[in-house]
Amino acid sequence: DVKVTQSSRYLVKRTGEKVFLECVQDMDHENMFWYRQDPGLGLRLIYFSYDVKMKEKGDIPEGYSVSREKKERFSLILESASTNQTSMYLCASSFGGGGITGELFFGEGSRLTVL
Amino acid sequence: AQSVTQLDSQVPVFEEAPVELRCNYSSSVSVYLFWYVQYPNQGLQLLLKYLSGSTLVKGINGFEAEFNKSQTSFHLRKPSVHISDTAEYFCAVGNNAGNMLTFGGGTRLMVKP
Repeated sequence: DVKVTQSSRYLVKRTGEKVFLECVQDMDHENMFWYRQDPGLGLRLIYFSYDVKMKEKGDIPEGYSVSREKKERFSLILESASTNQTSMYLCASSFGGGGITGELFFGEGSRLTVL
Repeated sequence: AQSVTQLDSQVPVFEEAPVELRCNYSSSVSVYLFWYVQYPNQGLQLLLKYLSGSTLVKGINGFEAEFNKSQTSFHLRKPSVHISDTAEYFCAVGNNAGNMLTFGGGTRLMVKP
């Protein structure tokens, strides 16, 4: 069964803290994505990666960075968390070249609260 | 640039009634369209997709959608809903350049007994 696993379902952090959100997929997918989900705004793409050590900015990259040192792992980093980064974060993966014609596989999400 | 508009943020409906969730898109390139469903406290899963061919697409759980190029729409329908269909539904459009989906704001379907 295909699997995208996000390390933490719920996190509570304080303003200014550094936050790591980890995502691992076991499908040997080339592409990995980080989305942010907010009520009424749907999903907005933060960053994506087509290959190891490669990254591309999405629609809302400000305040975030990513790391992809291994094919199966894609990390989202908040260098200095702020309250407006309180949100649900979704990781997804897909086959190479398959983001259009293929399917995105999503993790269950990480709900981050920044106090 | 692409965009997706889901016209209804919430749709309440009684069990066994038909439902239509509306989605309109704008895209200057070839269109690839998707519907995803998110059950409470879960990630998103693919419901159905349109890539080419027949404009009527059938998906899982009895859902179907129709691609209408002239109206730039991709509405999702089900003839008879169940309580278990209560979820949030997202319409998305894929770009032609590669590997990017743009999502709509979501529609929360609330099925009442």
